[in-house]
Amino acid sequence: AQSVTQPDIHITVSEGASLELRCNYSYGATPYLFWYVQSPGQGLQLLLKYFSGDTLVQGIKGFEAEFKRSQSSFNLRKPSVHWSDAAEYFCAARREYGNKLVFGAGTILRVKS
Amino acid sequence: ETGVTQSPTHLIKTRGQQVTLRCSSQSGHNTVSWYQQALGQGPQFIFQYYREEENGRGNFPPRFSGLQFPNYSSELNVNALELDDSALYLCASSPLGRTEAFFGQGTRLTVV
Repeated sequence: AQSVTQPDIHITVSEGASLELRCNYSYGATPYLFWYVQSPGQGLQLLLKYFSGDTLVQGIKGFEAEFKRSQSSFNLRKPSVHWSDAAEYFCAARREYGNKLVFGAGTILRVKS
Repeated sequence: ETGVTQSPTHLIKTRGQQVTLRCSSQSGHNTVSWYQQALGQGPQFIFQYYREEENGRGNFPPRFSGLQFPNYSSELNVNALELDDSALYLCASSPLGRTEAFFGQGTRLTVV
């Protein structure tokens, strides 16, 4: 069955420190991959996406993600975290011709000053 | 700004009642999907509509139904509400030729 796993439920980082949020997927073929961010009580905002090609993708708000086929991973990174980055982050996947996004359970990011 | 608007933002219903949630997308967003996000969980796919026809359904019972209209708006209807239906309901639409989905801000449904 198709699945997306985010191993970390909560992560706390200091403002200005680097960040890496982990995501692993289980699909028959490489799916399309996405990272979304959700502020409390809000909808989902797309940070970045990977379809094919360059395995390092750049997104909005200074985020980037690296696709590693050998590890079935699509980890999200940011070199320097700002307090406004505190939110919940969701990794999601979709088959190339599929009609549904499969989401991980999310990682809550806390930023301490 | 995703161009996807949902109404209402919050709703309280009694168990057994029926509810209709609405979503309005931008012109050209010909695919709309609905997701249920229970507290502390990731969104779960309910169903998708493409050109006003259902185009796939997740593991949800038939009391969850939907409609898509020619003006790029859509509805999610839930009959015989249960307490477990309490969740944030998200609408997502995709423009023609684009693969990513853009989400609305959601409707928070509370069933008491």
